[in-house]
Amino acid sequence: DAKTTQPTSMDCAEGRAANLPCNHSTISGNEYVYWYRQIHSQGPQYIIHGLKNNETNEMASLIITEDRKSSTLILPHATLRDTAVYYCIVRVAGGFQKLVFGTGTRLLVSP
Amino acid sequence: GAVVSQHPSRVICKSGTSVKIECRSLDFQATTMFWYRQFPKQSLMLMATSNEGSKATYEQGVEKDKFLINHASLTLSTLTVTSAHPEDSSFYICSASKGQGDGYTFGSGTRLTVV
Repeated sequence: DAKTTQPTSMDCAEGRAANLPCNHSTISGNEYVYWYRQIHSQGPQYIIHGLKNNETNEMASLIITEDRKSSTLILPHATLRDTAVYYCIVRVAGGFQKLVFGTGTRLLVSP
Repeated sequence: GAVVSQHPSRVICKSGTSVKIECRSLDFQATTMFWYRQFPKQSLMLMATSNEGSKATYEQGVEKDKFLINHASLTLSTLTVTSAHPEDSSFYICSASKGQGDGYTFGSGTRLTVV
């Protein structure tokens, strides 16, 4: 699976949009971009995934550049409960391929 | 749907004893589950892939005789830390997938402390 690069940490004010970038310049044509987050001392939580089109669900939006070498996870109105470590992972979809976690971005949402 | 239950959530054991951690898929069948370990302020490290009805596949550097994995049914995988030592103290997390493209579901983790 392709490697990803994320900033170590980011800050965001409560109620504002949080934009978390991820670089995946070596992504292959059949690899999807997945986002998970881990709140302190809990198991990771799936957020969203996409191939090349932008995706939106009840939690977040995922914007993937046209060349697919980078993406941005957007939390439109961050709350204090969104404080967590966010992981960007690229892998082939479906099946039972293993998920390999990088270092992620520690997002701190402040009042 | 897609709930994964992990038990116990927290365990303290004496050095030299063994500890078993259970991971159950509650509302789906999981032919494959994954076990991770996470040390404080670090990312999740994949330990092994657990396959129902066959031997687990361990990642490089993980001792298979120390971390015994049994995937006895389509809804249960267990990780046994044998002859635990203080350096095995960590947060252990399992995950499972329905095999579709909508991601993996993780258990809530087990905090193991070896004293």
